[in-house]
Amino acid sequence: NAGVTQTPKFQVLKTGQSMTLQCAQDMNHNSMYWYRQDPGMGLRLIYYSASEGTTDKGEVPNGYNVSRLNKREFSLRLESAAPSQTSVYFCASSEADGHPHYYGYTFGSGTRLTVV
Amino acid sequence: SQKIEQNSEALNIQEGKTATLTCNYTNYSPAYLQWYRQDPGRGPVFLLLIRENEKEKRKERLKVTFDTTLKQSLFHITASQPADSATYLCALVGYNFNKFYFGSGTKLNVKP
Repeated sequence: NAGVTQTPKFQVLKTGQSMTLQCAQDMNHNSMYWYRQDPGMGLRLIYYSASEGTTDKGEVPNGYNVSRLNKREFSLRLESAAPSQTSVYFCASSEADGHPHYYGYTFGSGTRLTVV
Repeated sequence: SQKIEQNSEALNIQEGKTATLTCNYTNYSPAYLQWYRQDPGRGPVFLLLIRENEKEKRKERLKVTFDTTLKQSLFHITASQPADSATYLCALVGYNFNKFYFGSGTKLNVKP
């Protein structure tokens, strides 16, 4: 099925460990995003990539880095995980013109990360 | 800073009734407002968009209203079904289109 694929689905890290969350989309979308979702706080934008080769910070970028590997793939890296980064992480993409305000986002099914 | 309020308490209704969910916001003037559905363990799914100059938008059993004076959007599901049970999120979109602010969602339970 066409859409956004995230791996892994679940992960437990120890404080200080690093990991990379992978995201790939097969809809030929230009724009890709990483969000985190915490109880009672709504989705918050971490980083986004409006097009291949560009990345920009969102609302909560501290502690994260991203790589837009090609048009399909956008990865999120935690260099030194902290308990405050325990969350559900969603990757999303939007229509080719990069106008999620009009067409909405297509989200992946999420990565549930626990940092102990 | 902007604030988006969705009722954190679950809404419980009987099958066949109309469900009405509320999204209130402050300190912001969005260009668009979107509604998403989220099922447990899944990512949100885009449902509807309404522009600031539109009062109402319909799609099948769904209806969204947008009152920029009251700073409120209402999301209605008519003839509700148990399959409509999910969490519904609203999102405000700014004029520069890269500013999205999501509410924390309201859980809807439709009982048969």
